[in-house]
Amino acid sequence: ETGVTQTPRHLVMGMTNKKSLKCEQHLGHNAMYWYKQSAKKPLELMFVYNFKEQTENNSVPSRFSPECPNSSHLFLHLHTLQPEDSALYLCASSLSGATYNEQFFGPGTRLTVL
Amino acid sequence: GENVEQHPSTLSVQEGDSAVIKCTYSDSASNYFPWYKQELGKRPQLIIDIRSNVGEKKDQRIAVTLNKTAKHFSLHITETQPEDSAVYFCAASRDGGSQGNLIFGKGTKLSVKP
Repeated sequence: ETGVTQTPRHLVMGMTNKKSLKCEQHLGHNAMYWYKQSAKKPLELMFVYNFKEQTENNSVPSRFSPECPNSSHLFLHLHTLQPEDSALYLCASSLSGATYNEQFFGPGTRLTVL
Repeated sequence: GENVEQHPSTLSVQEGDSAVIKCTYSDSASNYFPWYKQELGKRPQLIIDIRSNVGEKKDQRIAVTLNKTAKHFSLHITETQPEDSAVYFCAASRDGGSQGNLIFGKGTKLSVKP
């Protein structure tokens, strides 16, 4: 195990629901990331937090709202999602936000939006 | 912004043969190129990376080559084994400190037949 955990592992939600994804890292890292992985598409970076500060928001719709209360925890709050948002959502962490630091991924949350 | 193209999308080889996966990038300022391996149902994991001041890097059966002039880099796996079967992602980034982010290719599904 890489020390990055995600809950829940699977989530099915309706378009009017509100839910949250949780990521926790036990590696003492200072940077955390949210990625979206869809079939036949590249891993898409959504958000980056470095020392609890958001440093990147890759034009992600406002129905996705990240929260990073400390360097060990990262949340992704979801509301009024669309079926095309169904995907695997991966959390990752690295020692710092410098890109030459290896990113350690969590197992992902498989999200299905009905 | 950076754009990473990866080929082929699928690759099937016989056990013991070599496999080569190629990526091209668009941003000449990119200087860091990692490769991640994602086995079926598992999280992506870094297997090798290269920085722009080096033309080649080897680690046992895997090697990565970089041609900065042509803006392409390749992953070479020799003496392939069934456990090499996975999806491989290349990525590129400029090391911009906290602002540098990885841009991933679409992935190559490698199948090694015993």
